[in-house]
Amino acid sequence: AQKITQTQPGMFVQEKEAVTLDCTYDTSDQSYGLFWYKQPSSGEMIFLIYQGSYDEQNATEGRYSLNFQKARKSANLVISASQLGDSAMYFCAMRDRSKAAGNKLTFGGGTRVLVKP
Amino acid sequence: GAVVSQHPSRVICKSGTSVKIECRSLDFQATTMFWYRQFPKQSLMLMATSNEGSKATYEQGVEKDKFLINHASLTLSTLTVTSAHPEDSSFYICSARGTAKTDTQYFGPGTRLTVL
Repeated sequence: AQKITQTQPGMFVQEKEAVTLDCTYDTSDQSYGLFWYKQPSSGEMIFLIYQGSYDEQNATEGRYSLNFQKARKSANLVISASQLGDSAMYFCAMRDRSKAAGNKLTFGGGTRVLVKP
Repeated sequence: GAVVSQHPSRVICKSGTSVKIECRSLDFQATTMFWYRQFPKQSLMLMATSNEGSKATYEQGVEKDKFLINHASLTLSTLTVTSAHPEDSSFYICSARGTAKTDTQYFGPGTRLTVL
């Protein structure tokens, strides 16, 4: 069974500084995908970034980058130059690409980020 | 990114009534949609996987007769909470699997259900 662990329940970050959100995963599969989603207080889940298990380079999307360390089974999200609008809940998720799994996502417990002005 | 809508965004109902929630993919065809439930300050819990034209696959512990899922077209899936009770009050979110290489799931804005 797959498992996603986010060890930081909450954290503060100063505006304009960078913040790293931890995510470790456990899977016996060779092919999988890792996602980060942002959930503001409104509740919607906003897709941020994706990393495939076979991707050799770390994914980047604007101010978001994913520090993928396959051997350590970690996929930390780095948000650079934090903005007040970055205050939200952040979820790490993993998708099992096997047919049997039906492309289901397994979510971590989430990390709440509060950006201070 | 792809757009997924959900309706209604908020619903309050009396205990014993049934509530239908719609999930639509607006700019792409979604052969697979997913329904999640989220309690306050908790993560998302997958309830079921909905495939167009076939029966939904429910996760362990989710009552099929309680949460009826219909995926009648490539752009619409519905979740009906039958005979709702206060313990069914929760935030329900759907997602649709996109067609991009990453097969990213795009989420709807969610429906907050309150059962009195």
